[in-house]
Amino acid sequence: EVQLVQSGAEVKKPGATVKISCKVSGDTFSGYYMHWVQQAPGKGLEWMGLIDPEDGETIYAENFQGRVTITADTSTNTAYMEVSSLRSEDTAVYYCSTGAETSHGLSLLGYWGQGTLVTVSS
Amino acid sequence: QAVVTQESSLTVSPGGTVTLTCGSSTGAVTSSHYPYWFQQKPGQAPRTLIFDTTKKHSWTPARFSGSLLGGKAALTLSGAQPEDEADYYCLLSYTGAWLFGGGTKLTVL
Repeated sequence: EVQLVQSGAEVKKPGATVKISCKVSGDTFSGYYMHWVQQAPGKGLEWMGLIDPEDGETIYAENFQGRVTITADTSTNTAYMEVSSLRSEDTAVYYCSTGAETSHGLSLLGYWGQGTLVTVSS
Repeated sequence: QAVVTQESSLTVSPGGTVTLTCGSSTGAVTSSHYPYWFQQKPGQAPRTLIFDTTKKHSWTPARFSGSLLGGKAALTLSGAQPEDEADYYCLLSYTGAWLFGGGTKLTVL
């Protein structure tokens, strides 16, 4: 069974940097893109970006370009998402999601992590 | 940047049928947007129901189906159950980048 286990909740001050991890077990890590999704309190889902762990190539959403960095370590089957220059609006739950093979083909966002709450407060 | 639109809220009676839609500000939604549908209940991570417009995961209840309808992606729930009350989000691909819709709050009442 594939599992995505994310790191624990974080509390950060404005201007700081946070780095969240997402460890994949039970399947091939480098075979599927890893997506990151933000959900502010009481709000909807927002796609942040993705990484191809095989070559490190990334694509970022316009809203997150420049302050977000997504990386992957294939030796530990772990993806990371870093947000710099944190502000209160970055307070949110962050999810990772990766591909799942099904009888109908590949679902690019089939498996999800449990989410990591990041609170930005002075 | 494109905008993906969904109904903000819908209500369905138990046993009834409801269709949620997902539109794009850039024009008709097609299979090339690879529409996804997710269900999210309070305090839980999203769960993928539908991918590539119509395809289901092994955990997707048979009462859910995906399609293209009138230039939009659609999620149809036939025979609603109380446990289907949740937020539903669609996701569309735009040449490598992806965009979520604002979500639909579905009430089963």
